[in-house]
Amino acid sequence: QKEVEQNSGPLSVPEGAIASLNCTYSDRGSQSFFWYRQYSGKSPELIMSIYSNGDKEDGRFTAQLNKASQYVSLLIRDSQPSDSATYLCAVFSNFGNEKLTFGTGTRLTIIP
Amino acid sequence: DGGITQSPKYLFRKEGQNVTLSCEQNLNHDAMYWYRQDPGQGLRLIYYSQIVNDFQKGDIAEGYSVSREKKESFPLTVTSAQKNPTAFYLCASNHETGTGAKNIQYFGAGTRLSVL
Repeated sequence: QKEVEQNSGPLSVPEGAIASLNCTYSDRGSQSFFWYRQYSGKSPELIMSIYSNGDKEDGRFTAQLNKASQYVSLLIRDSQPSDSATYLCAVFSNFGNEKLTFGTGTRLTIIP
Repeated sequence: DGGITQSPKYLFRKEGQNVTLSCEQNLNHDAMYWYRQDPGQGLRLIYYSQIVNDFQKGDIAEGYSVSREKKESFPLTVTSAQKNPTAFYLCASNHETGTGAKNIQYFGAGTRLSVL
């Protein structure tokens, strides 16, 4: 089982709709969770971080965390063509091997 | 302008050659990291350093070497022992490991390495 799993996609969403990206992780000791956006040929940029159960909203982005289910998601409301990118889920555990573990990413395409 | 600078942007390696990728940060971050990304893959950790003059192997350290002589600099050498070096190499840094926002890693623009 991979430590951090994401559906690789591609995920196609019409412009203006809600895009839903999902991520599961295996380490129950994980404490910090991040979503990075990566445009083709570019480096990842942080778009959301979440540390406690529940929802965290920032503009059109909402991160949702459920530690009991070991599940973190990213919702993008009013999707724009500029949201087309690969979204990487990253999980940090403070216990044992302290490192950030990345999923393989979900490629999102917003259809105009 | 604070940030992480990687150079060069593109690099070509000949057979049997060692090449060094540069990573410099002026964010006063303690920890620095090197990742490798292959097409369609996530990021895999090569080496990391949490303090000057100390570094640890990541998941795929074989064929790579690093040094951390200054807080600002963390160069990566891809040695001839790395038989499949073609990839996108990313350097990252964060303030320190701990809780919450301290774990946020910021990335440089990357170096794309190819074999001639």
